[in-house]
Amino acid sequence: SQKIEQNSEALNIQEGKTATLTCNYTNYSPAYLQWYRQDPGRGPVFLLLIRENEKEKRKERLKVTFDTTLKQSLFHITASQPADSATYLCALDDGGATNKLIFGTGTLLAVQP
Amino acid sequence: NAGVMQNPRHLVRRRGQEARLRCSPMKGHSHVYWYRQLPEEGLKFMVYLQKENIIDESGMPKERFSAEFPKEGPSILRIQQVVRGDSAAYFCASSLETSGRDTQYFGPGTRLTVL
Repeated sequence: SQKIEQNSEALNIQEGKTATLTCNYTNYSPAYLQWYRQDPGRGPVFLLLIRENEKEKRKERLKVTFDTTLKQSLFHITASQPADSATYLCALDDGGATNKLIFGTGTLLAVQP
Repeated sequence: NAGVMQNPRHLVRRRGQEARLRCSPMKGHSHVYWYRQLPEEGLKFMVYLQKENIIDESGMPKERFSAEFPKEGPSILRIQQVVRGDSAAYFCASSLETSGRDTQYFGPGTRLTVL
């Protein structure tokens, strides 16, 4: 069956450290994968998109990797800050023609000051 | 440049009533998606529309739910005869085009509570 999995447990880290979140998928062949941030009571906010032919993408303190062999994406936040505390969602396209996104359930990140 | 707008932000309905959720995409975007987020669950795709066309409604419940995106005006998600299980956050997203697998930008959501 098709699955997209993120760590269901919350990730607690100390301010200044690097946070690493994992997204694994099975039985999908996505053309791209996206990461979103969601705060309580708000809509998802787009962070980064990485395509199947890209290994790594960076944006300021954020870095995403995409390994289509392992069927895994890693999302890194360096020099983390308490303001980075939120739920981070991984989403991939289902490989079809309509660009609909399949979301993981998200990982809650808590950065302690 | 205004983002995706949704209204109302909160909607309370009694069982059996109708709920109408509105979404105005970002300026220049002609592709609209609706997703539902049930408590403690991830976002689930419902429907994808372009102006005046439903492209993919594979995630829509077979009964009571409908969506439209008219030539003029916002996209509407309509839920008839609501039940308690319809209580959820409904998010709309828009994108510029699909050919390049563009990013989807989300609105703030409508939180529907069915009493």
